Amino acid sequence: EAQVTQNPRYLITVTGKKLTVTCSQNMNHEYMSWYRQDPGLGLRQIYYSMNVEVTDKGDVPEGYKVSRKEKRNFPLILESPSPNQTSLYFCASSPIAGGRNTQYFGPGTRLTVL
Amino acid sequence: ELKVEQNPLFLSMQEGKNYTIYCNYSTTSDRLYWYRQDPGKSLESLFVLLSNGAVKQEGRLMASLDTKARLSTLHITAAVHDLSATYFCAVLPNAGGTSYGKLTFGQGTILTVHP
Repeated sequence: EAQVTQNPRYLITVTGKKLTVTCSQNMNHEYMSWYRQDPGLGLRQIYYSMNVEVTDKGDVPEGYKVSRKEKRNFPLILESPSPNQTSLYFCASSPIAGGRNTQYFGPGTRLTVL
Repeated sequence: ELKVEQNPLFLSMQEGKNYTIYCNYSTTSDRLYWYRQDPGKSLESLFVLLSNGAVKQEGRLMASLDTKARLSTLHITAAVHDLSATYFCAVLPNAGGTSYGKLTFGQGTILTVHP
């Protein structure tokens, strides 16, 4: 089944403790992206990747890192999480950026930073 | 910086009525996407609009794009309860710029359809 998976789905952590949220897609998509969703703010793009080893900042990259060493995986790293990073995170992928290629979204990761 | 604004942000409708959600954006683009999100769920793609005058329809929903006005609309015809959800529009800048892959979402419109 074609899908985008994220792990973990739920995470409660403490300020400053490094964490990684994994994202994997099995559709051989070139484009992958991370978003955070906060009430009243919609979804905001954190980072995106046009292909392997090509990443770029979205609108809210501060406090996050990403890497794209292989096509299927696009992990989101929080080196020193803070409470303002408490949010719902979505990973998404598409064959390429734009055009007829709408994005396929993962199930989401709810992160709480205490 | 690309800005995308939806209105209304909250919409309470009676079943059987028609209404329109508006999505305005601030920069040249002919790549606009509509998504639906049910409570506690992920996002599901509804429409992809790629040119001026594009119109797409699926059931009771119809989306259109006017690139000159930088406006997309999502029209709901004869609403039913199952359409209750949050609807987002999202815009990608046109090809050739440095932000080609940078997708910007509107704030979302929370639609509630009452019997």
